[in-house]
Amino acid sequence: GAVVSQHPSRVICKSGTSVKIECRSLDFQATTMFWYRQFPKKSLMLMATSNEGSKATYEQGVEKDKFLINHASLTLSTLTVTSAHPEDSSFYICSAGPGRNLPGEFFGPGTRLTVL
Amino acid sequence: QKEVEQNSGPLSVPEGAIASLNCTYSDRGSQSFFWYRQYSGKSPELIMFIYSNGDKEDGRFTAQLNKASQYVSLLIRDSQPSDSATYLCAVNRVGTGRRALTFGSGTRLQVQP
Repeated sequence: GAVVSQHPSRVICKSGTSVKIECRSLDFQATTMFWYRQFPKKSLMLMATSNEGSKATYEQGVEKDKFLINHASLTLSTLTVTSAHPEDSSFYICSAGPGRNLPGEFFGPGTRLTVL
Repeated sequence: QKEVEQNSGPLSVPEGAIASLNCTYSDRGSQSFFWYRQYSGKSPELIMFIYSNGDKEDGRFTAQLNKASQYVSLLIRDSQPSDSATYLCAVNRVGTGRRALTFGSGTRLQVQP
């Protein structure tokens, strides 16, 4: 158990466009999902906590109007990077958990975003 | 002081040796402790978790927790080149609640064949 998928795995877009990333928990229900970003050779940085049916909680310094999070169901959360710029290029990773009898967080495979 | 501290490494060990990875945390209220492995360009993968003081073994991995010293470690026995990765220590500050984990910056392990 505890499989999390993420789509797309890689995306290249032009500056100014918006990009949506989907995160799904495939075999367990996750009332809470998390979104991270990671720059090369740097540690994970939590961006926001996403709770099913309610507004996301953003970490300090993360622009909620730029990084739109929707958690419409127990198995799906989406992150939309609006009006992307080159500095938004990064590795975006979602996680879900804990689930019933599943401690910790389980990570999706990540989405590598490149903004030209 | 960082909430979760790890030596960034790299920690280099020969194949077959024991690799010892260490982590300290600042919040005495922390209740759950996790070790993740992250290969370059990939997302983290949970390999061990521990709640109670003492040792917990799973195959070649042993997690050790000392709450009095606020210290958690991961031992990898019979290290293999495939164990070469960055190991992230993570702490849940509110036990088994829904808050996100706090991650250390990771220790890079290199196992030399």
